[in-house]
Amino acid sequence: DTGVSQDPRHKITKRGQNVTFRCDPISEHNRLYWYRQTLGQGPEFLTYFQNEAQLEKSRLLSDRFSAERPKGSFSTLEIQRTEQGDSAMYLCASSLTSGDGDTQYFGPGTRLTVL
Amino acid sequence: KQEVTQIPAALSVPEGENLVLNCSFTDSAIYNLQWFRQDPGKGLTSLLLIQSSQREQTSGRLNASLDKSSGRSTLYIAASQPGDSATYLCAADNYGQNFVFGPGTRLSVLP
Repeated sequence: DTGVSQDPRHKITKRGQNVTFRCDPISEHNRLYWYRQTLGQGPEFLTYFQNEAQLEKSRLLSDRFSAERPKGSFSTLEIQRTEQGDSAMYLCASSLTSGDGDTQYFGPGTRLTVL
Repeated sequence: KQEVTQIPAALSVPEGENLVLNCSFTDSAIYNLQWFRQDPGKGLTSLLLIQSSQREQTSGRLNASLDKSSGRSTLYIAASQPGDSATYLCAADNYGQNFVFGPGTRLSVLP
């Protein structure tokens, strides 16, 4: 399967713990996006990378959140000192800059539950 | 700041009906607009992408239109099937930097 993959698919943690999620984009895609989705809502943009450069961050991305894409391939999203309000589905997407509009392809998501 | 809304929030139709889902956005200066499908607990599947210079795109039983001047897009589903039951989301792309999503329309197609 050459689609976007995310690991883990589910994560349960206690409040105050740190968690890290991984996203592997479609191999030739230069852009990678992170979104957060809560129940009944559309995804909310968190941040995006073009190759290894983090080009935009939402104000939703507090200082407890950090994302990296060190070699322009896979990316990690870390949440420090988790809070119950961090419980959500974290979605990763990738796209290839092109002339056809940059279609975003999404992974299956990582569901985080903070107890 | 771009805001995206979708009407209706939920829709239930009998199998075989044609239906229209609506998406509105406040900032017409978009790069493109994309429609997605999301099954419960799953990620998003891209359905159609309409570039800002285009007025519509078609894929099988799906047709999406875009009217930038009025800030509206519609997704038309022909001859609906129970397998079409899902949440449909539209997203406005602000110059390829990030997508602003609507809250979605939850569709149920009854056999």
